[in-house]
Amino acid sequence: EPEVTQTPSHQVTQMGQEVILRCVPISNHLYFYWYRQILGQKVEFLVSFYNNEISEKSEIFDDQFSVERPDGSNFTLKIRSTKLEDSAMYFCASSLRDEQFFGPGTRLTVL
Amino acid sequence: GDSVTQMEGPVTLSEEAFLTINCTYTATGYPSLFWYVQYPGEGLQLLLKATKADDKGSNKGFEATYRKETTSFHLEKGSVQVSDSAVYFCALSAHSGGSNYKLTFGKGTLLTVNP
Repeated sequence: EPEVTQTPSHQVTQMGQEVILRCVPISNHLYFYWYRQILGQKVEFLVSFYNNEISEKSEIFDDQFSVERPDGSNFTLKIRSTKLEDSAMYFCASSLRDEQFFGPGTRLTVL
Repeated sequence: GDSVTQMEGPVTLSEEAFLTINCTYTATGYPSLFWYVQYPGEGLQLLLKATKADDKGSNKGFEATYRKETTSFHLEKGSVQVSDSAVYFCALSAHSGGSNYKLTFGKGTLLTVNP
C-alpha cells in the first residue's frame, strides 16, 4: 500500500540554524501539506501546495518558512532560522482530494 | 473561521465498554468531516470520514454520523479493545473551491482502554 514517508524521524538543531524536513508524498497525489503538532497540543495547519505553488498558508507560516517540490517526488519544508518555539512534530500529508494521508512525522528539537 | 471542538480527555475505559467522543464544528459551507487516530509514537491515520449531511462513516467497529442540524460528528464504538488505546482527532476540511483541502483539527482525545 502506498504511503507517505518523511526523513529524518528526529532532528536536533541549535537555535538560529537552518533545517530542511523532507517528505515523499504518494506518487499520484495532487495536493501536499505540512502540519505541526507542538507537544500536547493540537495539530495545526502550516501550508498547502498544489500545481507547484502555495495555495494557502497559515499565520504560523511566516518568512522563515518555505516549501519546495524540487523534483516531482520530494516535498520539503525549510525553516531558515530556527527558534525554540519551532520545536514540534512536523507532519507531511498528501491527497487526491479531501482524504489526506499522513507521514509518520519528523520530531524537531531546537536547543 | 473554521473550528472543531472536541471532548477533552483523557478517557479511560474498561475493555468491552461503550465509547463516545463528542465533536462539534463550525464551518462555512459544507465541510467533509473526519476522525483520525494517532497510536503511540506513530503518525495520523484516517479512521473514518463523511462528506455530506446524514452520511455515516464507519471502520474497525467505529462509527460517526454527520449531523448538520447539530453540527456534530460524534465518534462511537460499541465495545472497545485495549488495542484502541490512542489519541483520536476530529477534523474538518472545508473546500471553498480553491486548490486546497486543508484540515482543521480538534485538540485530540486520549483514550486508554484497560484489560
